Amino acid sequence: AQRVTQPEKLLSVFKGAPVELKCNYSYSGSPELFWYVQYSRQRLQLLLRHISRESIKGFTADLNKGETSFHLKKPFAQEEDSAMYYCALSGRGGKLQFGAGTQVVVTP
Amino acid sequence: GAGVSQTPSNKVTEKGKYVELRCDPISGHTALYWYRQSLGQGPEFLIYFQGTGAADDSGLPNDRFFAVRPEGSVSTLKIQRTERGDSAVYLCASSLISDRRITGTQGNEQFFGPGTRLTVL
Repeated sequence: AQRVTQPEKLLSVFKGAPVELKCNYSYSGSPELFWYVQYSRQRLQLLLRHISRESIKGFTADLNKGETSFHLKKPFAQEEDSAMYYCALSGRGGKLQFGAGTQVVVTP
Repeated sequence: GAGVSQTPSNKVTEKGKYVELRCDPISGHTALYWYRQSLGQGPEFLIYFQGTGAADDSGLPNDRFFAVRPEGSVSTLKIQRTERGDSAVYLCASSLISDRRITGTQGNEQFFGPGTRLTVL
């Protein structure tokens, strides 16, 4: 069965500190994984996808098939990174399965 | 250009009533998805359309839920005999295409609407 697990509901970090959001998945086949972000009073939007292997807003995520993980990392957190982050896996037809989300709070 | 829009933004109804939630996708997007997000949870897939047809409705919780997209653009999610447990934010998303085999392009990126918050009293 497909599953996406985000073990942390809340991550509180200081500005300038590194931040890592954990995501583990289970999927039979080759997964396509995403990180979505929702800033306060804004709609859900794509942050990055594993297939593009790019850095967005300083965030990177590496797909580790051996550990079935897709953790999101940023070396120096900024206050504007405070948001809700969702890890998602794309299944047949492109439908997304989301994790429960991690709330990130960056304090000055 | 305009993004995905959803109406109404908020809907309060009484248990047992019928509701309709509307989604206007981005013009030209052939794939349209409905998700439901309960408090403290991530969005949960309900149904998706490729064009006018429902390609996958496996996420609809029961037969009280139904969705249509008659002209391949606007979609309506319909809930009959609402129950308190139906209270949630209903999200709509659209993408240019739905085929996940076409990777490495932005074609299947899903763009989300602002959601409709449904409260069943």
